[in-house]
Amino acid sequence: NAGVTQTPKFQVLKTGQSMTLQCAQDMNHNSMYWYRQDPGMGLRLIYYSASEGTTDKGEVPNGYNVSRLNKREFSLRLESAAPSQTSVYFCASSEAGPGYEQYFGPGTRLTVT
Amino acid sequence: GQQVMQIPQYQHVQEGEDFTTYCNSSTTLSNIQWYKQRPGGHPVFLIQLVKSGEVKKQKRLTFQFGEAKKNSSLHITATQTTDVGTYFCAGNPRDSNSGYALNFGKGTSLLVTP
Repeated sequence: NAGVTQTPKFQVLKTGQSMTLQCAQDMNHNSMYWYRQDPGMGLRLIYYSASEGTTDKGEVPNGYNVSRLNKREFSLRLESAAPSQTSVYFCASSEAGPGYEQYFGPGTRLTVT
Repeated sequence: GQQVMQIPQYQHVQEGEDFTTYCNSSTTLSNIQWYKQRPGGHPVFLIQLVKSGEVKKQKRLTFQFGEAKKNSSLHITATQTTDVGTYFCAGNPRDSNSGYALNFGKGTSLLVTP
């Protein structure tokens, strides 16, 4: 089992460009999450999907959109990248419900110039 | 909104010294989880505490959940260089409108020098 996979691992964008970060999990988890991590800021939730067919905003959703393509895949799209979106992006998954541990992917390091 | 505060932000210890990080929530939590992130890596689950006053141990690591379920601590006895990384607490608010999404603290970065 690969667990949670993310592509790409690294990306450099110019301001105004768009891109989609891909995430897939093979653990049959119902819930999936997108976080961004910035120095000194910890992990901040961008969007999450409690179950297939549902998505909800987290703490910092502005400038992002998500798609829960199926149970396995949850993508994050930046429509018009800004330098403030330079960050490390982590996807995670878990069983649905409180009290389940989250499994994180290896992350995508995004730089917007 | 619900806040999870974690202190200290950084800690630098000599190998063999003890280390403690503290986590405080503005609201009552249904449970709290702890994660470790090695430099350049991703967060990895360590443990979950659910009951008021709960204490759990993993070798040199001791985790506590406060009686009011608003605070938690992680204590490492006799640190080793393998303990280097950032430790995050994360809570599920008891009364949450955000499904089961966790609120993460900002983490404590531990540096251990031999």
